[in-house]
Amino acid sequence: GAGVSQSPSNKVTEKGKDVELRCDPISGHTALYWYRQSLGQGLEFLIYFQGNSAPDKSGLPSDRFSAERTGGSVSTLTIQRTQQEDSAVYLCASSSSGGETQYFGPGTRLLVL
Amino acid sequence: AQRVTQPEKLLSVFKGAPVELKCNYSYSGSPELFWYVQYSRQRLQLLLRHISRESIKGFTADLNKGETSFHLKKPFAQEEDSAMYYCALQGGGTSYGKLTFGQGTILTVHP
Repeated sequence: GAGVSQSPSNKVTEKGKDVELRCDPISGHTALYWYRQSLGQGLEFLIYFQGNSAPDKSGLPSDRFSAERTGGSVSTLTIQRTQQEDSAVYLCASSSSGGETQYFGPGTRLLVL
Repeated sequence: AQRVTQPEKLLSVFKGAPVELKCNYSYSGSPELFWYVQYSRQRLQLLLRHISRESIKGFTADLNKGETSFHLKKPFAQEEDSAMYYCALQGGGTSYGKLTFGQGTILTVHP
């Protein structure tokens, strides 16, 4: 079956612009996670969704970052007023429920100039 | 707070040699531990999970609660094992499901 997909695969933007990153989880997976992979910080947790609600947003680095999930499926991560330090690979993962094995998408590589 | 430490950024071995990738963790509860692998130009994928006690691609890992370690081992490394390896811990409570990753170890297996 289809795995987790993310779009776009690459995004180049200018400092100060807003960006939206999309994640399509595996069909039927109720849990969805966003992580960020950067050279200096490694792999960091950003936010966890169970259904459409987010019981854990503790990893969002600032109020410029937000995420939503609709219909218990697709999720969008939005970064407002992007900064150069936001440059990273943003990974999405889904699992059948919280605590089960997470399956990762290919990531969106974001470059802020 | 939960923390995962992989002390080696880089590890090089020759084909056929044994390999051990170290992982230590800090967690107050009963941890769920994983090894994920990322091959060149591929997505992050699960290698093994400690509760399943499976051996995947010849790799095994034993949870040692006394030493708070979950080292990954393989008796005979292969060139195709060259990749980035991440140890990860899954906690409970409101963070249920959240993975905390180590910094990763790049394994290079030379012919």
